[in-house]
Amino acid sequence: DAGITQSPRYKITETGRQVTLMCHQTWSHSYMFWYRQDLGHGLRLIYYSAAADITDKGEVPDGYVVSRSKTENFPLTLESATRSQTSVYFCASRGITGELFFGEGSRLTVL
Amino acid sequence: QKEVEQNSGPLSVPEGAIASLNCTYSDRGSQSFFWYRQYSGKSPELIMSIYSNGDKEDGRFTAQLNKASQYVSLLIRDSQPSDSATYLCAVNSGSEKLVFGKGTKLTVNP
Repeated sequence: DAGITQSPRYKITETGRQVTLMCHQTWSHSYMFWYRQDLGHGLRLIYYSAAADITDKGEVPDGYVVSRSKTENFPLTLESATRSQTSVYFCASRGITGELFFGEGSRLTVL
Repeated sequence: QKEVEQNSGPLSVPEGAIASLNCTYSDRGSQSFFWYRQYSGKSPELIMSIYSNGDKEDGRFTAQLNKASQYVSLLIRDSQPSDSATYLCAVNSGSEKLVFGKGTKLTVNP
């Protein structure tokens, strides 16, 4: 089915480990985004991408790395996970009138 | 810093009543406005978009935009328990990014 999918949906890891969250969209949208959502903070933008091989920092990029070798994929990597990165992560792509469509989310716990 | 402000709630209304959700934004140049609904444990879901001053109706939902006063609101008529969720206001100020408010939690009591 067309849409935006994230994997894994749930992940438990340990401090210091590398974690990659995957995001795949089938709409061929140019723009893609990664947000984290925490109680009291709402949605905060981590990184975004305007097209393949074009990425830019958002509000809270420290500790995260992104890449976009193909239009449909936008993985988010935590190179050395910390407890403060325990969160729910949402990937989104942007439609032609500026609206965002979100994936189902990835719930990450860092022990 | 472009900001979007919402009352955190919770807003509690009885079933069948009108729920009114409000949002103000700081950037006068904002052009696009969106309302998202987020059920607990789920992802945000787009329910309304509005781009020009006035009202836009879609079923039981009405979005209202007043650019001069820099506010956008969402009215939910005949509220149902299934409308209980957190509602997020999002604003685009002409850049690639949406700025989200922190959301208003709505509870509709049977």
